[in-house]
Amino acid sequence: SQQGEEDPQALSIQEGENATMNCSYKTSINNLQWYRQNSGRGLVHLILIRSNEREKHSGRLRVTLDTSKKSSSLLITASRAADTASYFCATDLNNTDKLIFGTGTRLQVFP
Amino acid sequence: DSGVTQTPKHLITATGQRVTLRCSPRSGDLSVYWYQQSLDQGLQFLIQYYNGEERAKGNILERFSAQQFPDLHSELNLSSLELGDSALYFCASSPSGTGYDEAFFGQGTRLTVV
Repeated sequence: SQQGEEDPQALSIQEGENATMNCSYKTSINNLQWYRQNSGRGLVHLILIRSNEREKHSGRLRVTLDTSKKSSSLLITASRAADTASYFCATDLNNTDKLIFGTGTRLQVFP
Repeated sequence: DSGVTQTPKHLITATGQRVTLRCSPRSGDLSVYWYQQSLDQGLQFLIQYYNGEERAKGNILERFSAQQFPDLHSELNLSSLELGDSALYFCASSPSGTGYDEAFFGQGTRLTVV
């Protein structure tokens, strides 16, 4: 079973627009991570936010974490066609060492 | 380049056969994770090893097994293969594997069972 559920499942936007993806999870966590996957390739780590953090930035990425709602969001600002990929959240499951991934959001950015 | 090497990149085999997938983690990483990704699906956690010992187990079938060797490379063995086992198999490594670290992924092994 999946720990995280991303929403929406798919998102299509124009270049320059912002993209927001949400992740909900089920158990307590130590941290939440976001990864990106280009089609059929390995996943690339984007950002890690710890359970005692509420917001984190990295370049055009902004991640928020609300542990009371068990949810996180990833905002990509000023999107580019090269941002087209699937985005996954991942958490340690119930403070274990398992790194469990959500179902992913497929982002398509049109030039 | 993540520093994680998976071999082979592609594998085509028949139902009922057995295959071995290999993963070399990044230098210094003690933890190895294995994941299965079916077409257009999320990643299913299979198993994690830390410094040679099994650390966590996910939805891994009894037909599948894994191990991590003293040099820290890992192998995933899949036996009695079925058509439904066709998928991308990813290996990832992290320094400590406690859930506090980012994981570095290999490029995956694409397994096709015919």
